[in-house]
Amino acid sequence: AQSVAQPEDQVNVAEGNPLTVKCTYSVSGNPYLFWYVQYPNRGLQFLLKYITGDNLVKGSYGFEAEFNKSQTSFHLKKPSALVSDSALYFCAVRDPVGAAGNKLTFGGGTRVLVKP
Amino acid sequence: DTGVSQNPRHKITKRGQNVTFRCDPISEHNRLYWYRQTLGQGPEFLTYFQNEAQLEKSRLLSDRFSAERPKGSFSTLEIQRTEQGDSAMYLCASSLVSSGGPTDTQYFGPGTRLTVL
Repeated sequence: AQSVAQPEDQVNVAEGNPLTVKCTYSVSGNPYLFWYVQYPNRGLQFLLKYITGDNLVKGSYGFEAEFNKSQTSFHLKKPSALVSDSALYFCAVRDPVGAAGNKLTFGGGTRVLVKP
Repeated sequence: DTGVSQNPRHKITKRGQNVTFRCDPISEHNRLYWYRQTLGQGPEFLTYFQNEAQLEKSRLLSDRFSAERPKGSFSTLEIQRTEQGDSAMYLCASSLVSSGGPTDTQYFGPGTRLTVL
């Protein structure tokens, strides 16, 4: 079965400092990995995904993520955080093999608080 | 261009009542997914459609839940005899799947928040 772990419930960072949100995964095959962001009372907004190719993926709003197969990680990063980045971030995995590939399995989420 | 829309945005009901939610996907998308998100948790998969066919249902989807996508466009999710444990945010997502495998990106609607009293 596929699973995702986001080890930090909350990340606090000062505006202008680098932001990292951690994610590790477990799947039986090569994973498809996704990051979404959720603002209060809103649905999930897609940020970026890794399917294959370059391990460093660039996405929306200046975010990027690095796929590390040996560490089974897909950490989300932003070089300089903004107050408006304060939100709930979800990592998700999809196993492309078999029926499990038809759904996303999400982590528990990490709340990011960027202080001015 | 509009994204995924869901109605109603909020629903308050009494235990034992039936409720129905609607999801309108992005127009050219052939897949439609339903997820449930409880407070402080990530979304959990409920079911999905490829065009009008319901191809998979999670074990979370009890017999009281039914979903339809009659013409391969909008979808409805009905909960019969609601229970307090059904209180959650119900999220709909849609995607365009090609023959290249499950690399599609799911785009989510704003969700319907259900409160069962």
